[in-house]
Amino acid sequence: GAGVSQSPRYKVAKRGQDVALRCDPISGHVSLFWYQQALGQGPEFLTYFQNEAQLDKSGLPSDRFFAERPEGSVSTLKIQRTQQEDSAVYLCASSLKTGTNTGELFFGEGSRLTVL
Amino acid sequence: GDSVTQMEGPVTLSEEAFLTINCTYTATGYPSLFWYVQYPGEGLQLLLKATKADDKGSNKGFEATYRKETTSFHLEKGSVQVSDSAVYFCAHWGGADGLTFGKGTHLIIQP
Repeated sequence: GAGVSQSPRYKVAKRGQDVALRCDPISGHVSLFWYQQALGQGPEFLTYFQNEAQLDKSGLPSDRFFAERPEGSVSTLKIQRTQQEDSAVYLCASSLKTGTNTGELFFGEGSRLTVL
Repeated sequence: GDSVTQMEGPVTLSEEAFLTINCTYTATGYPSLFWYVQYPGEGLQLLLKATKADDKGSNKGFEATYRKETTSFHLEKGSVQVSDSAVYFCAHWGGADGLTFGKGTHLIIQP
């Protein structure tokens, strides 16, 4: 597709369940970011990939959060043993350029996670 | 640490009114500055940007000027339309950490 695609768009999980959120970036985009957006807040950085390498994961809130991009294209954000505070919209963004001060990220529509 | 502060909403205006949404930032050096917009039911998209001091970014009638002295990047539009109703996010580029966003300002334009 032409844009960043995320799935599922909506996910309801019971507390303690594991979830996996998928991101298909724009073809050829080297950089991929995951953000977490709580209700009424701005997006908060989670992690960054350059191709298949995870260069920064300092924003992941706990070791229950794990992200991968094994072939440098599709990425998956996994949350183990979900908690209510994990409820948020998870945004994926990609960029063609790397290491440059461009900030022109292309965002998907997000995956809204609700943990009951 | 780096941060972005923008005026809280919601901001409600009548059509054709003048718009200002304030944004200030703290950062090391002089990062590129951005305004992103999120229309209802859509993903975030870049509205405009400025990469160095005194640069003016503009798009769709919106403008913002990079003010190094006041570390500000206020968003303005001379005459808003109902279709401008959205959430607006000010952001700066944090390098490997990507964008640092403000909390967003919900803009409501009434006909």
